[in-house]
Amino acid sequence: GNSVTQMEGPVTLSEEAFLTINCTYTATGYPSLFWYVQYPGEGLQLLLKATKADDKGSNKGFEATYRKETTSFHLEKGSVQVSDSAVYFCALSPTGNQFYFGTGTSLTVIP
Amino acid sequence: GAVVSQHPSWVICKSGTSVKIECRSLDFQATTMFWYRQFPKQSLMLMATSNEGSKATYEQGVEKDKFLINHASLTLSTLTVTSAHPEDSSFYICSATDRTRLGDTQYFGPGTRLTVL
Repeated sequence: GNSVTQMEGPVTLSEEAFLTINCTYTATGYPSLFWYVQYPGEGLQLLLKATKADDKGSNKGFEATYRKETTSFHLEKGSVQVSDSAVYFCALSPTGNQFYFGTGTSLTVIP
Repeated sequence: GAVVSQHPSWVICKSGTSVKIECRSLDFQATTMFWYRQFPKQSLMLMATSNEGSKATYEQGVEKDKFLINHASLTLSTLTVTSAHPEDSSFYICSATDRTRLGDTQYFGPGTRLTVL
């Protein structure tokens, strides 16, 4: 079956610290992988995506690489800002019709 | 581009009443819309998928007679929670896509917080 396992939070970091949020998946076939971000009081926004093995998605300083051999899609950012405080969701889509989400990881960045 | 809105953003209703939630794609035509339910500190759970002009496909365990979905146009889908009960209180989120133009990326609405008293 299809599923996503995401590291549990909450995660609290100081500004300019390095961020890693782990995400591993189980899927049939070759799904597309996504990171969505949900800022307080807002809906989910697409942060980045990768559609095939070894692809790297990047946006706003965040990066994630589609690792087929380890079935992972870890989210990283070299230097977080207070404005990055949000909940981050890892997701996969085998077909584009169905999405499978992780449980979300809450990130708080303190000045 | 690719903005999805939901209305209302929050609603409180009495047990036994019905509540309608609207989901609109504002700047694109949504060939497919999705409805999710999100419990506190839990993942989004897909409830149903609807294609414009056809009946919604419900996920296993979701009561189609309780959660009525209508996708009457390419920019509007509605979710009606019929005879709502306190256990239906949740955060309902819709998403939309136009696969011919946007590929497999879904764009999400801001969600609707439903509280049933």
